[in-house]
Amino acid sequence: GENVEQHPSTLSVQEGDSAVIKCTYSDSASNYFPWYKQELGKGPQLIIDIRSNVGEKKDQRIAVTLNKTAKHFSLHITETQPEDSAVYFCAASRNAGKSTFGDGTTLTVKP
Amino acid sequence: GAGVSQSPSNKVTEKGKDVELRCDPISGHTALYWYRQSLGQGLEFLIYFQGNSAPDKSGLPSDRFSAERTGGSVSTLTIQRTQQEDSAVYLCASSLEGGHGYTFGSGTRLTVV
Repeated sequence: GENVEQHPSTLSVQEGDSAVIKCTYSDSASNYFPWYKQELGKGPQLIIDIRSNVGEKKDQRIAVTLNKTAKHFSLHITETQPEDSAVYFCAASRNAGKSTFGDGTTLTVKP
Repeated sequence: GAGVSQSPSNKVTEKGKDVELRCDPISGHTALYWYRQSLGQGLEFLIYFQGNSAPDKSGLPSDRFSAERTGGSVSTLTIQRTQQEDSAVYLCASSLEGGHGYTFGSGTRLTVV
């Protein structure tokens, strides 16, 4: 089955700096890669996703890049703000399949 | 509804009792998933329903766990003879179909004492 590894497990940045979270996956048939943000006491929320026919996608301060050859994808957050502090999960899935999640990254943005 | 609704939000039960957790997905979403999240941990897959297909039960940790989805909508996760290691947050999610982004509910926090 699919295996998703996520790094780092914790990340602390100063407000205004950039944050990068990286994930690798094992199943070459995976073609959908979403990212979720989980705030304390809530369920994860989808923040951005990318499909395998695209190399990069951007939405305001967040962007995701995908390298299919190397089987890794990354989340980039620019101009970080304290409200970006949360746990971020990457995931991978095939067509019509369930998602396999990484173990999560706890991001802390210091004011 | 507007989102995925889970009930109850919190459940405390005695070891050995059975519990039922309910999930009401977004209308029109054909895929429904259950995950478990232990304190400070990642998301452990339990079961996946897709339309009228046989569910993917490969993540259920033991035969004490079962789930059903009636009429392609509401789902119930049942845990029989609960154990302390079952204590966790149980998250339900739905999506248009498999291979799409999930909308998660807020979860049910289960505590077995």
